[in-house]
Amino acid sequence: DQQVKQNSPSLSVQEGRISILNCDYTNSMFDYFLWYKKYPAEGPTFLISISSIKDKNEDGRFTVFLNKSAKHLSLHIVPSQPGDSAVYFCAANVNQGGKLIFGQGTELSVKP
Amino acid sequence: EPEVTQTPSHQVTQMGQEVILRCVPISNHLYFYWYRQILGQKVEFLVSFYNNEISEKSEIFDDQFSVERPDGSNFTLKIRSTKLEDSAMYFCASSGWTSGETQYFGPGTRLLVL
Repeated sequence: DQQVKQNSPSLSVQEGRISILNCDYTNSMFDYFLWYKKYPAEGPTFLISISSIKDKNEDGRFTVFLNKSAKHLSLHIVPSQPGDSAVYFCAANVNQGGKLIFGQGTELSVKP
Repeated sequence: EPEVTQTPSHQVTQMGQEVILRCVPISNHLYFYWYRQILGQKVEFLVSFYNNEISEKSEIFDDQFSVERPDGSNFTLKIRSTKLEDSAMYFCASSGWTSGETQYFGPGTRLLVL
């Protein structure tokens, strides 16, 4: 079951630069997308979300872009900080509710 | 800030034993979930619970699993007869007044079945 895919297992960026994390999905019924951040030995922490009626949502340094025709979303972090180093999960659900389908995660490393 | 809590943080058990994982969702939340993450794999949905009944469950959630909200604050996941492949991190999550609200996750219970 690969309905949500994060094809990059890891990403390394310099502090202050932009981090771009990508996510693809196959299920056209998904209408709500979320990004979670996870540190080792902790649970996923909600970061930002976007409804399928929008193509962009911004919250401080974090912006999520949604391209429905390409079934692709991305998370931009600007500027990246060392504290952003974590695993980032993309997740999606249908009818803005119920079970979340997660991607495999991308481990972001922000180097000072 | 309100948060989801889970106990224990770690549990080691023998194959065939019963385990109960406990969660205290965020107060006033109405929707509750269990997910698990086997080492190196995705976070997978197990079950959702609303209004004192299961609203959805995955194929993983077979007869060995059960959930309960025994009082106004706790939400439990019971595995009746654990198998080696049940070893994973188990996450509880809750969301607010509608199922469409953001799910907030607890820190997880690491279950190791020997």
